[in-house]
Amino acid sequence: GAGVSQSPSNKVTEKGKDVELRCDPISGHTALYWYRQSLGQGLEFLIYFQGNSAPDKSGLPSDRFSAERTGGSVSTLTIQRTQQEDSAVYLCASSPGRGVYNEQFFGPGTRLTVL
Amino acid sequence: AQSVTQPDIHITVSEGASLELRCNYSYGATPYLFWYVQSPGQGLQLLLKYFSGDTLVQGIKGFEAEFKRSQSSFNLRKPSVHWSDAAEYFCAVGPNTGTASKLTFGTGTRLQVTL
Repeated sequence: GAGVSQSPSNKVTEKGKDVELRCDPISGHTALYWYRQSLGQGLEFLIYFQGNSAPDKSGLPSDRFSAERTGGSVSTLTIQRTQQEDSAVYLCASSPGRGVYNEQFFGPGTRLTVL
Repeated sequence: AQSVTQPDIHITVSEGASLELRCNYSYGATPYLFWYVQSPGQGLQLLLKYFSGDTLVQGIKGFEAEFKRSQSSFNLRKPSVHWSDAAEYFCAVGPNTGTASKLTFGTGTRLQVTL
């Protein structure tokens, strides 16, 4: 079956603009994660959705970052008033259930460049 | 707070040679442990995981890892490296409680394979 897909694959934007990044998880997966991968750093957890529960937003670096998940499926990560330090690869992962016992399947990522 | 250290940023090995990638973690209790591989332009793929039991775990693509509690380590090994193994490798830890889901990743080790 289809894996996790993300769009766009690349996004170049100007400082101060808003951007939206999209994630389509694997059908039937109830858990969805966003991570950020900056150059020379590991993956940084941003936010986690599980079913209809309130999302775990503890990893969002500032209030410029927000995410939603509509209908328990597609998720959008929005970055407002982008800054150059937001340049990174944003990875989405989905999982069949809660807890790290369930394998996370990763998408190819969106490379964001803020000029 | 939990952390993962991958002390080798970049490793070069010859095809056919053995490989060991190091991973040390800091965690309050015995965590769940993972190794992921990221090929250029691809998302992360799970190589193997340790939850409990036998401390030597086998994964895909001929990889194995050994959990050593006394050393807080989870090193990845492969007896004979293939050129296709060139990629970036990430060690990660996650909580071994049922519903918590955040993974904490190391900064990665980039593997180069010479022919």
